[in-house]
Amino acid sequence: AQSVTQPDIHITVSEGASLELRCNYSYGATPYLFWYVQSPGQGLQLLLKYFSGDTLVQGIKGFEAEFKRSQSSFNLRKPSVHWSDAAEYFCAVVRGSTLGRLYFGRGTQLTVWP
Amino acid sequence: DVKVTQSSRYLVKRTGEKVFLECVQDMDHENMFWYRQDPGLGLRLIYFSYDVKMKEKGDIPEGYSVSREKKERFSLILESASTNQTSMYLCASSFLDRGRETQYFGPGTRLLVL
Repeated sequence: AQSVTQPDIHITVSEGASLELRCNYSYGATPYLFWYVQSPGQGLQLLLKYFSGDTLVQGIKGFEAEFKRSQSSFNLRKPSVHWSDAAEYFCAVVRGSTLGRLYFGRGTQLTVWP
Repeated sequence: DVKVTQSSRYLVKRTGEKVFLECVQDMDHENMFWYRQDPGLGLRLIYFSYDVKMKEKGDIPEGYSVSREKKERFSLILESASTNQTSMYLCASSFLDRGRETQYFGPGTRLLVL
């Protein structure tokens, strides 16, 4: 079975500080990986995705993520956080051949201090 | 840009009522999905559809049904609403590009069943 782990339920950072949100997956082959962001009361917005190729992917809003096969990780990073980045972040994974089976982590809530 | 819309942002219903949640996408996507999101449980797949009039059960289909009469519209039906169906409901759509799928989400419907 696939699973996605986001070990940090809640992270607090100061505005301007760097950010790294962790995501680990368990799946034998290379999965397709996604990060979504959800602002309060809103739906999920796609930040970035990884299918294959370059293991460092760039997304919207200045976010990037790095796929590390040896660590089964797909951590999300941002060099300088803005107050508007406060939201909940979800990592998700799907096995390439399985339609619709997008498995989500439990989410990491990000608080940004001014 | 992909546009997924949901008919209501907030909905209050009484136990036993029949509830319809509507989702429309404007990108001619083949696939559509319904999730529910609950604190501590993350997102769980209820049903999905890969074509008009086709549907597949997700992880938690009990108490729900779906309808897809037109490609752009996917309805979630609660035949007899119960309080444990109080939740945030998220619709998504996707298409396959060389076997790769990305799901795009609507803004969500927050349903309260009294």
